[in-house]
Amino acid sequence: EPEVTQTPSHQVTQMGQEVILRCVPISNHLYFYWYRQILGQKVEFLVSFYNNEISEKSEIFDDQFSVERPDGSNFTLKIRSTKLEDSAMYFCASSEQVNTEAFFGQGTRLTVV
Amino acid sequence: AQRVTQPEKLLSVFKGAPVELKCNYSYSGSPELFWYVQYSRQRLQLLLRHISRESIKGFTADLNKGETSFHLKKPFAQEEDSAMYYCALSPNFGNEKLTFGTGTRLTIIP
Repeated sequence: EPEVTQTPSHQVTQMGQEVILRCVPISNHLYFYWYRQILGQKVEFLVSFYNNEISEKSEIFDDQFSVERPDGSNFTLKIRSTKLEDSAMYFCASSEQVNTEAFFGQGTRLTVV
Repeated sequence: AQRVTQPEKLLSVFKGAPVELKCNYSYSGSPELFWYVQYSRQRLQLLLRHISRESIKGFTADLNKGETSFHLKKPFAQEEDSAMYYCALSPNFGNEKLTFGTGTRLTIIP
């Protein structure tokens, strides 16, 4: 069964460093999403991406964040200058259409020290 | 602003007993409601959504617009139902801008 794959599973980075979280969505899916979950808190929407551009973003998704689909398979989330409060589990998801089931990856735990 | 409230962080139920996981929402329009489940060491996955009106793994959920609730129910709990359950709301019936509740950890006691 096709799955959304995220790498790495755990990333530790120093405050102020740039990180790139990687995701391989399911191959025939057209919509891609990033969500995050700070420990003990809710899963929060960050951004959705369709047709090579951002379709929706939340207030959390400020200028420090960017997304890219650099090739036909990868979907990346970049945080330019990490802060301690960026420590969270980051989930990638994809769906065939915007209103069909979204399939989530297993998550990348980002720890900023 | 949209909000989803799951009042129970933890819920323990004996095997064979009925299960009800509570979810209340706040949204001015007509939202779509979802239940997501995360089993131990597995990824978050969709359990059911209001628009489908399906019963999945014996679970059902009814949207009560008067009470702004979307409680998840199952008449007879099974051990494999132990998991984290998240209620979520979408303002536009899609996966964009899903608002999640804090989740309820359901433990089925053998």
